[in-house]
Amino acid sequence: KAGVTQTPRYLIKTRGQQVTLSCSPISGHRSVSWYQQTPGQGLQFLFEYFSETQRNKGNFPGRFSGRQFSNSRSEMNVSTLELGDSALYLCASSAGTGGMETQYFGPGTRLLVL
Amino acid sequence: AQKITQTQPGMFVQEKEAVTLDCTYDTSDQSYGLFWYKQPSSGEMIFLIYQGSYDEQNATEGRYSLNFQKARKSANLVISASQLGDSAMYFCAMREWGGSNYKLTFGKGTLLTVNP
Repeated sequence: KAGVTQTPRYLIKTRGQQVTLSCSPISGHRSVSWYQQTPGQGLQFLFEYFSETQRNKGNFPGRFSGRQFSNSRSEMNVSTLELGDSALYLCASSAGTGGMETQYFGPGTRLLVL
Repeated sequence: AQKITQTQPGMFVQEKEAVTLDCTYDTSDQSYGLFWYKQPSSGEMIFLIYQGSYDEQNATEGRYSLNFQKARKSANLVISASQLGDSAMYFCAMREWGGSNYKLTFGKGTLLTVNP
């Protein structure tokens, strides 16, 4: 079974621009979570989607948004980029049907904001 | 207060020896899960092992075992017979079972270096 895929793998943007990252979960998985990883703050939870609905949200400003499509693929968008948004963005998928499921991560998208 | 504490920023181990990576957690939930992930320099988070709060036996997965001490709120990862490919960052994570809560809370990580 193919793993979680994320595109693009690397991205360079300038301040003020916006960016969209994509995540395709493992086939059959309906839950997709997004995390931001920075050297200073570590791994922080952004949000989680299940069946096109956001179920959980972390403590990030409204510039960070996401959505999920009917095929469970998910996108996250960051508007008005700031230097501090430079990070590795990881998405993870799980079945989403309840229970203590394991989340499986993709390779991440490295975003650099100049 | 931090929910997941990994007190060892870095650890060194000789190839073929065992190593223990520490993790303590803080929760008032009775139901929770503890996970360990490995992150090589490529960035991908690789799932290693899981322990549920109600599991009476310590989890094992190949060379990985989890030393779960519930009363002490610790969930240490033991890697036996270390290999050079084990050099990576290791993260302990917790999910508190709150119905539809799918958020993982991570520790700061431990950088493991395996020496030949």
